Amino acid sequence: DGGITQSPKYLFRKEGQNVTLSCEQNLNHDAMYWYRQDPGQGLRLIYYSQIVNDFQKGDIAEGYSVSREKKESFPLTVTSAQKNPTAFYLCASRVLAGGDTGELFFGEGSRLTVL
Amino acid sequence: GQQVMQIPQYQHVQEGEDFTTYCNSSTTLSNIQWYKQRPGGHPVFLIQLVKSGEVKKQKRLTFQFGEAKKNSSLHITATQTTDVGTYFCAGGTGNQFYFGTGTSLTVIP
Repeated sequence: DGGITQSPKYLFRKEGQNVTLSCEQNLNHDAMYWYRQDPGQGLRLIYYSQIVNDFQKGDIAEGYSVSREKKESFPLTVTSAQKNPTAFYLCASRVLAGGDTGELFFGEGSRLTVL
Repeated sequence: GQQVMQIPQYQHVQEGEDFTTYCNSSTTLSNIQWYKQRPGGHPVFLIQLVKSGEVKKQKRLTFQFGEAKKNSSLHITATQTTDVGTYFCAGGTGNQFYFGTGTSLTVIP
């Protein structure tokens, strides 16, 4: 079945550690996105990528980094510079044909807790 | 910057009552999408509206896109317990989608 796979589902980290969240899709989608979800705040865009080896900052990119070495993969690293990293992280992808239309397909999310 | 506001933040209804959530953008949108997120789950696409004044229906759900393409609404008729979850609008502009803060719907049996 085609879809988006995020791992790990739950992650605990100590302050000062970097962690990397995995996102893999087999939908052959061009664009991939990382969102952060906090209670009562909806989804906020961290980074997005429309093509391999290129990505753009979203509204809250500080303290995060990404790479897009393969079309299928868009890992997110939460660095120690992120002041409040405890959150639910969602990866999404979509087809780019047709301009800015096209639904987002989401993974099941990764819940990061900083101890 | 781009902002998409959504109200109300929470709504409790008796089963069988209607429910409406409203979405307003500070700028004109290219399109608007609606998503539903069940408790503990991830957002799932419901529908996309592109045209000014567009109205679409999915069974008990009615979606509207304003004439100025700055606002949208989702109306559920005769809610059921399966409607429980958080409903998000997402305004499309350029290559990004700006999500509203969501409306959490609780349906009381």
